Amino acid sequence: AQTVTQSQPEMSVQEAETVTLSCTYDTSESDYYLFWYKQPPSRQMILVIRQEAYKQQNATENRFSVNFQKAAKSFSLKISDSQLGDAAMYFCAYRSGGGANSKLTFGKGITLSVRP
Amino acid sequence: SAVISQKPSRDICQRGTSLTIQCQVDSQVTMMFWYRQQPGQSLTLIATANQGSEATYESGFVIDKFPISRPNLTFSTLTVSNMSPEDSSIYLCSVERNLNTEAFFGQGTRLTVV
Repeated sequence: AQTVTQSQPEMSVQEAETVTLSCTYDTSESDYYLFWYKQPPSRQMILVIRQEAYKQQNATENRFSVNFQKAAKSFSLKISDSQLGDAAMYFCAYRSGGGANSKLTFGKGITLSVRP
Repeated sequence: SAVISQKPSRDICQRGTSLTIQCQVDSQVTMMFWYRQQPGQSLTLIATANQGSEATYESGFVIDKFPISRPNLTFSTLTVSNMSPEDSSIYLCSVERNLNTEAFFGQGTRLTVV
């Protein structure tokens, strides 16, 4: 079974600075997807960024980018120019690329606080 | 994207009673899921809601405790039956338009059982 590990329960960043959130995963598959979701206090889970395992290029979405190291099974999220609205819980998630029974597996999450 | 309306947003219930949570999507989706998120914890998949047939439950979750309906491609309900304080959690509806696409989530239902 696949596992997703987020070993840091909490992190803090100064507004306008850059922060990196770590995630590792364990799988024997070659075809899969990785995601970062954000959950603010409103509870709404929001997709931040997505990476297909077959793509060598790291995904980027505005201030959010990932460092995808397939051999190391690492998928970290970098937030540049941190804003107060970035404060939330962030979940790393894995999905197998294989068919109808493919489910999302979430890490335990990390709480990010942003200092003004 | 998908616009998901989940109701109620929160409730406080007496032990031994049942609560039905509704999930309505603004357009047809292939997949609908129900998750549980205990306070400060990650998301645990309860079941996949299948249109026109019985839901597919994950290990540790049973139909008698968490009956699920999905009468069409835009609507599903989750019932938490015979509640106990251990059922106090956030329950989240999730949808995917097609297989292996992004998952979108409802706002969640915060349930407190007293």
